Amino acid sequence: KAGVTQTPRYLIKTRGQQVTLSCSPISGHRSVSWYQQTPGQGLQFLFEYFSETQRNKGNFPGRFSGRQFSNSRSEMNVSTLELGDSALYLCASSLGTVLVGYTFGSGTRLTVV
Amino acid sequence: DQQVKQNSPSLSVQEGRISILNCDYTNSMFDYFLWYKKYPAEGPTFLISISSIKDKNEDGRFTVFLNKSAKHLSLHIVPSQPGDSAVYFCAASDQGGADGLTFGKGTHLIIQP
Repeated sequence: KAGVTQTPRYLIKTRGQQVTLSCSPISGHRSVSWYQQTPGQGLQFLFEYFSETQRNKGNFPGRFSGRQFSNSRSEMNVSTLELGDSALYLCASSLGTVLVGYTFGSGTRLTVV
Repeated sequence: DQQVKQNSPSLSVQEGRISILNCDYTNSMFDYFLWYKKYPAEGPTFLISISSIKDKNEDGRFTVFLNKSAKHLSLHIVPSQPGDSAVYFCAASDQGGADGLTFGKGTHLIIQP
């Protein structure tokens, strides 16, 4: 079956702009989580959506937001981009239970210049 | 403050021998622990998990051990194979998943022929 699909794979944006990243989860998975990976901080949890509702949120500023649609596809948005937002953004989907693990996409590499 | 620590940035092991990757945590609220493997340009891949009510879980060549009193877990890979060369992340979550998965910074495992 198809895995988690993230688009685009690479993105270059200018400081101050906004960006929208997309994630299509595995069919049947209703939970979608977003993570930011940077060399300094490692993998950090952004937020989780379940059945179109934000269930949990990590410690990130309000410039980071997301949403989930009725087909479980999710988008995350970053407004007023800063240089420090340059990172690999990973989306993960799951059936909803931690122990069976989350399936990650290959990520979107965002570079802010 | 890092709640999940992987103190060895890299580890080199000879093919066929045992690889032991270690992870320490500080948050006593963590109930679930997972290991992920990551190749370059790909998202993390779920390997194995364990809940806090168990002290060992096996899946093929992979075994995870949990020592709750020491707040320590380890991943054993036996025998090590060239395809095991990757970055391994330890992750933890509380029962509700309110903070998503908390990841360590990773250990780069290199399997020598």
